[in-house]
Order: sequence, then structure tokens, then C-alpha cells
Amino acid sequence: QVQLQESGPGLAKPSETLSLTCAVSGGSITSYYWNWVRQPAGKGLEWIGHIYSSGRTNYNSSLKNRVTMSVDTTNNQFSLKLTSVTAADTAVYYCARGGGRKWDPFDIWGQGTLVTVSS
Amino acid sequence: QSALTQPASVSGSPGQSITISCTGTGSDVGGYYYVSWYQHHPGKAPKLIIYDVSDRPSGVSNRFSGSKSGNTASLTISGLRAEDEADYYCLSYTVSGGVIFGGGTKLTVL
Repeated sequence: QVQLQESGPGLAKPSETLSLTCAVSGGSITSYYWNWVRQPAGKGLEWIGHIYSSGRTNYNSSLKNRVTMSVDTTNNQFSLKLTSVTAADTAVYYCARGGGRKWDPFDIWGQGTLVTVSS
Repeated sequence: QSALTQPASVSGSPGQSITISCTGTGSDVGGYYYVSWYQHHPGKAPKLIIYDVSDRPSGVSNRFSGSKSGNTASLTISGLRAEDEADYYCLSYTVSGGVIFGGGTKLTVL
């Protein structure tokens, strides 16, 4: 079955760039929307954005000036970059699979990775 | 865009039924039949339990059901069990082509 695994540094310094990768195993990355979601401690889930396997993206308007997503179909993975991070970006970051349409639900999730922003 | 509105908490006794509401606008919940619900136990990955307002993925108990009226979607859990204690989130497609989560509801099974 399809599995997702987030990876990346667990610590980022203020004003620097947070970078995460989500590896897709057990299935193809092609023809799906792939999402990033985050959850600050004690708060709710927040959608960061999605990328289609073709590279087409849509970002949360509150973050779009700082977010870049990319997809690597050769290595079956996709990535998130969030620039100019602050303590408010400290959160557990999840990757999740959507469907073939941008309104499809998120049926598979990674386990999440904690990223702390601190000097 | 602000999160969809959910009650912060609900509670019920084993065997009872509870309903969690998710209120948005005509640009999200009210405009589309693309509302999904997720069960989230702390420290684990969220789990899809309802999609397209009222459909259940394979393997999800029929104790979970969903509905929508106007700008408000609802999740009902019947025959409450201790293992249902978790956080629940709604998610809706929006007119901007993205999605938005509800603020989340903590379900306590008394």
C-alpha cells in the first residue's frame, strides 16, 4: 500500500528556510495532488498548499509569499520550502495524498515531522 | 481566510450519539459537496472518515455519518466508544481552488 514519509531538519533558525521532503512508496506519484499540512502545538490543522504531479501548485493565501513546492517524479517525492521562518512556523508538518482532482479528500498521510524554529 | 467554525469540544457517554458541526460560507462548505472529515489521535496521522459530505471510505465504521445543510456540514458518531475519543476536523474545497480546515473539535467520551 502507498506510504508517505516526511524527512528534513527538525530545527530551523529564524529568518532561514525550512525544507522538507515527502517520499512516496508503494505507488506512483503521477496523477495525484500532493499536500502539505501543519499543526502547531495545541492548535488545529492548517493546509499549506498542494502540488499536482505535473508541477501545478496552489498555496494557502496566508503563506503563499513564503512557500514553494516542487515535485520529483523520477524519485517519487515532493518537497516544501518555507522561507523567512519565525517561531510561529514551529509545528508538526504532514504530507498527505489527495486524489486526481484538487477537491479530492486526503486519503493517505505521513506520520508527521516536528520542525522547531529557534536560534 | 479564517478556519471553518467547529465547536471546540463535545462530549458523550458510551453508546450515545454526538454531532459535530462545521460552518463555513457559500465560497466553501455551502458551495460544494466536497467536505471531508478526519479523525486525529494525538501523535498519529489524521485518518479520513468521511468524504464528499456523506461517503465513507472502505473500512470506516458505519457509526460515522455526514450531512450538509446550507453552509454547515455535520459529522455524527453513533454508538460512541472509548476509542472514538480524538480530535475531529472538517475540510472543505474552496472557490479559490484550495481547501480549508475547520478549527477542530475535541471529542471526549465520558
